[in-house]
Amino acid sequence: QSVLTQPPSVSAAPGQKVTISCSGSSSNIGNNYVSWYQQLPGTAPKLLIYDNNKRPSGIPDRFSGSKSGTSATLGITGLQTGDEADYYCGTWDSSLRGYVFGTGTKVTVL
Amino acid sequence: QLQLQESGPGLVKPSETLSLTCTVSGGSISSSSYYWGWIRQPPGKGLEWIGSIYYSGSTYYNPSLKSRVTISVDTSKNQFSLKLSSVTAADTAVYYCARQVQGVRGSGTSRWFDPWGQGTLVTVSS
Repeated sequence: QSVLTQPPSVSAAPGQKVTISCSGSSSNIGNNYVSWYQQLPGTAPKLLIYDNNKRPSGIPDRFSGSKSGTSATLGITGLQTGDEADYYCGTWDSSLRGYVFGTGTKVTVL
Repeated sequence: QLQLQESGPGLVKPSETLSLTCTVSGGSISSSSYYWGWIRQPPGKGLEWIGSIYYSGSTYYNPSLKSRVTISVDTSKNQFSLKLSSVTAADTAVYYCARQVQGVRGSGTSRWFDPWGQGTLVTVSS
């Protein structure tokens, strides 16, 4: 059972914006850096965001990350059909002394 | 660019040991900047970190799996490996290997996984 909670699903029409929340605690998100991963159907996860809000080379600026207190948020603007995927947050948990992933959120483009 | 590829048996019997190897190409596993990790995903479920290793052999594991997990590294072959003992059906999953980047920050721990291997499905069944 994950210590990071995400909504099971979010949806929006093409071109719209969605946000995905990731809720944790002071032992994980509250004091450590968050990353986000995109998993397209049938493929391996891919890094989207690291250090709360940094994008790796090649990731479009439609994807953004933020953190406030013990929660983090992934935003996707200009939603495209190709964005339909599962999205996971992840961070270090200082109490568990291990890396933890969120429960995952399925994004559907209506 | 850096690529990782998992290999190993796709079927393991209950109570036996699951063994997988990750081969790194396009870069050296001996880089001082990175750890190397294993992550798994049961069918239809979320991601679970298993453990990570440094090229020197230093390891740390998910506390919930620690008693059954061993991760090792072979720098001469640019590979690292996973062994999970006493498997049950609950260990059926796609197993991924990935490079773990450790950021150096003033406060807080910064770690992320990039890139990932394509994954390999391991089924535990008699």
